[in-house]
Amino acid sequence: QQQVKQSPQSLIVQKGGISIINCAYENTAFDYFPWYQQFPGKGPALLIAIRPDVSEKKEGRFTISFNKSAKQFSLHIMDSQPGDSATYFCAASKDQAGTALIFGKGTTLSVSS
Amino acid sequence: GAVVSQHPSRVICKSGTSVKIECRSLDFQATTMFWYRQFPKQSLMLMATSNEGSKATYEQGVEKDKFLINHASLTLSTLTVTSAHPEDSSFYICSARRQGLGPNEKLFFGSGTQLSVL
Repeated sequence: QQQVKQSPQSLIVQKGGISIINCAYENTAFDYFPWYQQFPGKGPALLIAIRPDVSEKKEGRFTISFNKSAKQFSLHIMDSQPGDSATYFCAASKDQAGTALIFGKGTTLSVSS
Repeated sequence: GAVVSQHPSRVICKSGTSVKIECRSLDFQATTMFWYRQFPKQSLMLMATSNEGSKATYEQGVEKDKFLINHASLTLSTLTVTSAHPEDSSFYICSARRQGLGPNEKLFFGSGTQLSVL
């Protein structure tokens, strides 16, 4: 059973556009929802994270929207740039319990100039 | 920010040999470390959870006798791939959990090890 479902698998956005990636989770015990960016041959780097007591969090060009009742959360990248071209993973964990992150399958973003 | 050093970054070995990968938390103590495996263009799959001073907990389908994990100190965990075969070729990534912080980010990832078994 896939605990974190991510879509789309790939995304092409023009420079300056908005990139939107969606995730849905199964386990209501999850209490920590981060997004990671990964470049080829590198480990994932944390972009932004949210907890279920907040519906939205913004950091620079990155925004997480969180819908607890629907068990969904999404990443919005505003003013997308070619340098944003990478693979993005959503994840979830039972952070208070100290469990590992469970990752979505990833979205490959290409920002065309 | 906190740094997790993973070494080596790339290793090529012959089939049947063993390979050790080190994961070090450089400026914090990590009571728990996680090991992931990532195949090309796929997600990170959790292999095992390693707690300092105790045996690792392996995910279903991961052979504990093949992937030996040792977490002997609060700053070092090692993953040894024993009798490696070509199907073990993958990108291995560790993550360290920093103790003592509040409810914000406390998981830090290494830069990964690309293992190629010939």
